[in-house]
Amino acid sequence: QVTLRESGPALVKPTQTLTLTCTFSGFSLSTTGMCVSWIRQPPGKALEWLVRIDWDDDKYYSTSLKTRLTISKDTSKNQVVLTMTNMDPVDTATYYCARGRSRFDYWGQGTLVTVSS
Amino acid sequence: QSALTQPASVSGSPGQSLTISCTGTSSDVGAYNYVSWYQQHPGKAPKLMIYEVSNRPSGVSNRFSGSKSGNTASLTISGLQAEDEADYYCSSYTSNSTSKFGGGTKLTVL
Repeated sequence: QVTLRESGPALVKPTQTLTLTCTFSGFSLSTTGMCVSWIRQPPGKALEWLVRIDWDDDKYYSTSLKTRLTISKDTSKNQVVLTMTNMDPVDTATYYCARGRSRFDYWGQGTLVTVSS
Repeated sequence: QSALTQPASVSGSPGQSLTISCTGTSSDVGAYNYVSWYQQHPGKAPKLMIYEVSNRPSGVSNRFSGSKSGNTASLTISGLQAEDEADYYCSSYTSNSTSKFGGGTKLTVL
């Protein structure tokens, strides 16, 4: 049974760095072909793909956000960590982690991050 | 990196069929058969409904089908039911090895 769960702060201040952790089970990121992506959704708005990390540690970033994002994995802990620097109120969104590269077949429940002073 | 283009809203009566389009470019939708579709009910995480243009994951109703022509993909829902009322998003893998989503379509069952 595949599950993913996001964790991190619900509130961050402008200019701060956000760190979110995706803890998963039911698959291993050391298995060839496995990938985990981060996707966000501002309230009432569309999904936006942010970044992906692959089993071989290759990383792919959204062009518009690549200067602010960092993704890493800890295979032994079944975790993927996302950091986003210089947070702004427009970054207020529900952040999801999901398994997959060309399709996202399992999603976490999402974590709402509000950026406000 | 602009989003894929979807109609903002569609509506239909129970039992009818309707189609949601998703238009991209030759660098995403047109480049690969890696288009997927997601259903999202309010307050819930998205659910994969179609992958690789026309494949249904186990457990998804065969009322949902997908297709693609050139740079435009489509999701068709037949025999519309009240439970189908939700937001629908398309997604495509891109030539940069990244992904992108459409702007979303709100489906209303009249």
